[in-house]
Amino acid sequence: KNEVEQSPQNLTAQEGEFITINCSYSVGISALHWLQQHPGGGIVSLFMLSSGKKKHGRLIATINIQEKHSSLHITASHPRDSAVYICAVRTISSGSARQLTFGSGTQLTVLP
Amino acid sequence: NAGVTQTPKFRILKIGQSMTLQCTQDMNHNYMYWYRQDPGMGLKLIYYSVGAGITDKGEVPNGYNVSRSTTEDFPLRLELAAPSQTSVYFCASSYSIIQGAREQYFGPGTRLTVT
Repeated sequence: KNEVEQSPQNLTAQEGEFITINCSYSVGISALHWLQQHPGGGIVSLFMLSSGKKKHGRLIATINIQEKHSSLHITASHPRDSAVYICAVRTISSGSARQLTFGSGTQLTVLP
Repeated sequence: NAGVTQTPKFRILKIGQSMTLQCTQDMNHNYMYWYRQDPGMGLKLIYYSVGAGITDKGEVPNGYNVSRSTTEDFPLRLELAAPSQTSVYFCASSYSIIQGAREQYFGPGTRLTVT
């Protein structure tokens, strides 16, 4: 079983819809990252969080440490949000190396 | 700042050939990482470095070598390329713990095909 599981694997939405992508993990973590991989392959960091909730524009990330679960929400989705969204965790055992363990990603397609 | 740069963007190798993937960052980050990304799989850590002169193996180090002679550069060496090394390779960097926890910054990737 993977340490980081994302759902769904693929998601198609209509422009304007509210989108939720889920991430569950099975290990103790010190931080969780949400990343976006563009169709051209580039990867950018969206959020890093260890508790609570963060918001940036139309993106909201939440984490529940007790339930080992995080969600990424996109409000008023737009075709330019089409990308692969990746959840990654920094496990407590990674120590000072700060290594990340990655989920396999959620392919989001937003149709006009 | 250019951020994290990688060269080349694409490369085709024959089985048994060797090559070096270059990675440079201009953000004075102590931590640098090499990942590979295979279709439908999460990124896997190959090697990482916590500072110049210090490197360590990640999850999938076999067939690769690294060096870190300067803070800026972290090249990845493939010796005796094999088809199983066909993948997209990403270099990343991040701040040290002393400077506070920060997200990782990724390079644009190198798409490598071994035939």
